[in-house]
Amino acid sequence: AQKVTQAQTEISVVEKEDVTLDCVYETRDTTYYLFWYKQPPSGELVFLIRRNSFDEQNEISGRYSWNFQKSTSSFNFTITASQVVDSAVYFCALSAQGGYNKLIFGAGTRLAVHP
Amino acid sequence: NAGVTQTPKFQVLKTGQSMTLQCAQDMNHEYMSWYRQDPGMGLRLIHYSVGAGITDQGEVPNGYNVSRSTTEDFPLRLLSAAPSQTSVYFCASSQLDRQGNNYGYTFGSGTRLTVV
Repeated sequence: AQKVTQAQTEISVVEKEDVTLDCVYETRDTTYYLFWYKQPPSGELVFLIRRNSFDEQNEISGRYSWNFQKSTSSFNFTITASQVVDSAVYFCALSAQGGYNKLIFGAGTRLAVHP
Repeated sequence: NAGVTQTPKFQVLKTGQSMTLQCAQDMNHEYMSWYRQDPGMGLRLIHYSVGAGITDQGEVPNGYNVSRSTTEDFPLRLLSAAPSQTSVYFCASSQLDRQGNNYGYTFGSGTRLTVV
């Protein structure tokens, strides 16, 4: 069975703090893809990153960084120097090879960044 | 360059009514899917399609029908609306490679449905 767990339901930080959103996944497939999506208050889903299971190199994009560790089945997302505009719900998702790649979402983490 | 277009954005239905949520994409994507989003549960897959004429059930298909007569369109039908179907519905599309792996999903802006 495939599953994505985002244990943090809500996180509240003050602007400029660093914050890490945790994501733990389960799959028996050896080839799979992991995603992060952002859902701002306006409601749309914004794609942030896609990572395949063979690439464990960490990714950095501006203030965003992702730490992928197959040994712990985790794909954590860190925002450095958070800003009010980062306030949103963040979803981690898993898609496995074959089976037409149904995207399995975690429950999401609501991040509130206060001025 | 519209991407994935969903209509309507908002809808209120009475219990027992039927309706169709529309979804269209202009990217020639093979894969299309419908998700519903409920508080604390993330997004759950309702139905999906890997190409015109081919559809299959996802995690929560009961009460919904789909069809895929063209590559572009993937409507979702509620046969007899129930309050439990109050949710936000997202349509998504993606392109598949030869191994069936997708390059990432493009989501529509969502339809907020309330059943009273």
